[in-house]
Amino acid sequence: SQKIEQNSEALNIQEGKTATLTCNYTNYSPAYLQWYRQDPGRGPVFLLLIRENEKEKRKERLKVTFDTTLKQSLFHITASQPADSATYLCALDSTGFQKLVFGTGTRLLVSP
Amino acid sequence: GAGVSQSPSNKVTEKGKDVELRCDPISGHTALYWYRQSLGQGLEFLIYFQGNSAPDKSGLPSDRFSAERTGGSVSTLTIQRTQQEDSAVYLCASSAQTGEGNGYTFGSGTRLTVV
Repeated sequence: SQKIEQNSEALNIQEGKTATLTCNYTNYSPAYLQWYRQDPGRGPVFLLLIRENEKEKRKERLKVTFDTTLKQSLFHITASQPADSATYLCALDSTGFQKLVFGTGTRLLVSP
Repeated sequence: GAGVSQSPSNKVTEKGKDVELRCDPISGHTALYWYRQSLGQGLEFLIYFQGNSAPDKSGLPSDRFSAERTGGSVSTLTIQRTQQEDSAVYLCASSAQTGEGNGYTFGSGTRLTVV
């Protein structure tokens, strides 16, 4: 069956460190993979998209990698700040941006 | 508008009643999506509208759920004869067009509680 797996346990790190979140998938051949941030009581906010032919994408302190052989994406936040504390969701599109399938998200807690 | 607007933000209804949830997407966005998110769960796809094409209803959980999009803009999700398991946050999103890398813009959702 198709699965998108993100670590359900919260990730606790100290301010200034790099946070690394993992998204693994099975039985998908995604054309895109996207990362979103969700704060309590709010809808997800789009952060980054990476295409199947891209290995890495960066935006300010964010970096996403995409390994279609391992079927895995890594999401990095460098120089993390308490304001980065949120739940981060990965989402796959396998049909050309028609409908995204979301993982359950990983909660990140950055301590001062 | 500047963002995706959903109303109401909260809705408490009695079991068996019908509810309507409204979504006002970003002007010019041709694609509109409905998802729902139960407590501690991921987002569950419900329905997708793209331009004038027939909607993709493959995620609707039962025939009590329906949605329409009038004039390619505002969308309404209707749940008939609500059940307690329908309690969730219903999220609407829009995007500029398929095949491009702009991501979805989500509204803040409607929290539905069926008592």
